[in-house]
Amino acid sequence: NAGVTQTPKFRILKIGQSMTLQCTQDMNHNYMYWYRQDPGMGLKLIYYSVGAGITDKGEVPNGYNVSRSTTEDFPLRLELAAPSQTSVYFCASTERGVRDTEAFFGQGTRLTVV
Amino acid sequence: AQSVAQPEDQVNVAEGNPLTVKCTYSVSGNPYLFWYVQYPNRGLQFLLKYITGDNLVKGSYGFEAEFNKSQTSFHLKKPSALVSDSALYFCAVREGGRRALTFGSGTRLQVQP
Repeated sequence: NAGVTQTPKFRILKIGQSMTLQCTQDMNHNYMYWYRQDPGMGLKLIYYSVGAGITDKGEVPNGYNVSRSTTEDFPLRLELAAPSQTSVYFCASTERGVRDTEAFFGQGTRLTVV
Repeated sequence: AQSVAQPEDQVNVAEGNPLTVKCTYSVSGNPYLFWYVQYPNRGLQFLLKYITGDNLVKGSYGFEAEFNKSQTSFHLKKPSALVSDSALYFCAVREGGRRALTFGSGTRLQVQP
């Protein structure tokens, strides 16, 4: 049982480039989330999804887009990379609302924009 | 709006001694509280949660947390620290009706042999 898998693990982007961070889970979880982790700042929610075809903005959605065409996959798209998007990105999933079940996290993607 | 504060950036403790990692929260309704641990180059791992009921919650690896409603706190504790407990610890909260967790800034626990 792989859990939540993120690819790539590391990436360096030039300003203005675009990329997609991949996230897939094999636990049949309905809820999925994207967070970014900046040093000393904890985790900030970027986008989340409560099921296939349904997505919504979190605290810091600007500069990002998501889609949820299947239960398993929740990719995060950066269209025009900026240095402010240098961060570690974590994808997570929960069985139902995170209210009473724990979230499962991927290992993260370390992104540097130069 | 929900928020979480972890007042200590780092906690140092000797192996075998008890440890406490502090967390306070702010929500408008009943809180759902969580502790997660992050080891280097890894994602967060769930430790324990408080939803309702007994104020003392027991979790993984011998950790426990005490919910105190009057002080709006949810401190993480362990009676006897291990060197392998050294990691980054995050407190998180969710209030009813919200979809996702709000995380604190994290506390680095360093257990010295």
